[in-house]
Amino acid sequence: AQSVAQPEDQVNVAEGNPLTVKCTYSVSGNPYLFWYVQYPNRGLQFLLKYITGDNLVKGSYGFEAEFNKSQTSFHLKKPSALVSDSALYFCAVRANSGYSTLTFGKGTMLLVSP
Amino acid sequence: DVKVTQSSRYLVKRTGEKVFLECVQDMDHENMFWYRQDPGLGLRLIYFSYDVKMKEKGDIPEGYSVSREKKERFSLILESASTNQTSMYLCASRPPPTGNYGYTFGSGTRLTVV
Repeated sequence: AQSVAQPEDQVNVAEGNPLTVKCTYSVSGNPYLFWYVQYPNRGLQFLLKYITGDNLVKGSYGFEAEFNKSQTSFHLKKPSALVSDSALYFCAVRANSGYSTLTFGKGTMLLVSP
Repeated sequence: DVKVTQSSRYLVKRTGEKVFLECVQDMDHENMFWYRQDPGLGLRLIYFSYDVKMKEKGDIPEGYSVSREKKERFSLILESASTNQTSMYLCASRPPPTGNYGYTFGSGTRLTVV
């Protein structure tokens, strides 16, 4: 079975500082990895994905994520946080095989203070 | 822009009622999914469908059923609503699973069962 762990329920960072939201995964074979963001009372919005190739993936709103196969991690990063980045972030994984579904982590609330 | 539309943003139903949650996508996607989202638990897969009239159980199908009579519409049915089904319900769709695509989510339906 595949799984995702987001070890932090909440991450606090000051505006302008770099941020990291952690994610580790478990899946059979090669993974497809995703980050989504959710603003209050809204659905999930796609941020970025790793499928293959370069381990550093760039996505929307200045976010990026680094795939580390040996550590089975896919941490979300941003060099300089904005107050408007405050939201709930979900990491998700699916196996690199035809009919697998996405498994999500429990989510990490990011709070950026002015 | 691709779109997944959930017919209701907020619903309040009584215990024992039969409840229908509707989801429509305009992207001609084969695959559609229903998740529920609860604080501290993340997103959990209820049911999914790979094509018209096809359905597969997810991780937590008990107390739910689904209907997919047309490609664009995927309905989630609570046969006899209970208070523990109070939750945010999210519908998603994607193209065929052979590609490396993510999901497109609707805005969610917040269901309260009283």
